[in-house]
Amino acid sequence: GDSVTQTKGPVTLSEGTSLTVNCSYETKQYPTLFWYVQYPGEGPQLLFKVPKANEKGSNRGFEATYDKGTTSFHLQKASVQESDSAVYYCVLALNYAQGLTFGLGTRVSVFP
Amino acid sequence: EAAVTQSPRSKVAVTGGKVTLSCHQTNNHDYMYWYRQDTGHGLRLIHYSYVADSTEKGDIPDGYKASRPSQENFSLILELASLSQTAVYFCASRDSYEQYFGPGTRLTVL
Repeated sequence: GDSVTQTKGPVTLSEGTSLTVNCSYETKQYPTLFWYVQYPGEGPQLLFKVPKANEKGSNRGFEATYDKGTTSFHLQKASVQESDSAVYYCVLALNYAQGLTFGLGTRVSVFP
Repeated sequence: EAAVTQSPRSKVAVTGGKVTLSCHQTNNHDYMYWYRQDTGHGLRLIHYSYVADSTEKGDIPDGYKASRPSQENFSLILELASLSQTAVYFCASRDSYEQYFGPGTRLTVL
């Protein structure tokens, strides 16, 4: 079946350090890839869509690049801030109609 | 203005009782979704709809019904609530590829 595997949290960081959240997936379909972020007390919201063809997706200082060979797309940020504390989900859209397939989420806590 | 709203935001129900969770969107989107969120499981799709008066089963539909009386409204119905349905429930609407989530409903079944 279809599956998404991401870095198991929690991840605790100091402000100004770098963040990497790893994500890989298995499916026989051709998914569209996303990173979503969820802040406390809110629903998930789109961080950005990950391009497939050797391009880097980015938003708010976060970046992700798709690796076709390993079907993985890792989230990175060079210098995190306290406001980046949230749960990050790698997400697949397997077809146009159906809903999203979420990873388990990685809780990231950034301390000043 | 919040484009996807859910009610109630929190509910306590008794085992065997009927629960209805409501969702309203002002995005003018055709597609709407219901997910549940549990610790250790992320979000999982329960039901979805792409047009009024029609609903489709998602990945975990057992024990749930859905109703889409209009483009704006989408309800999730638990006819006989069980302890295992304690979770946070999210509704979402979708444009071309982005889904917009509501703030969630925390349901506790006792």
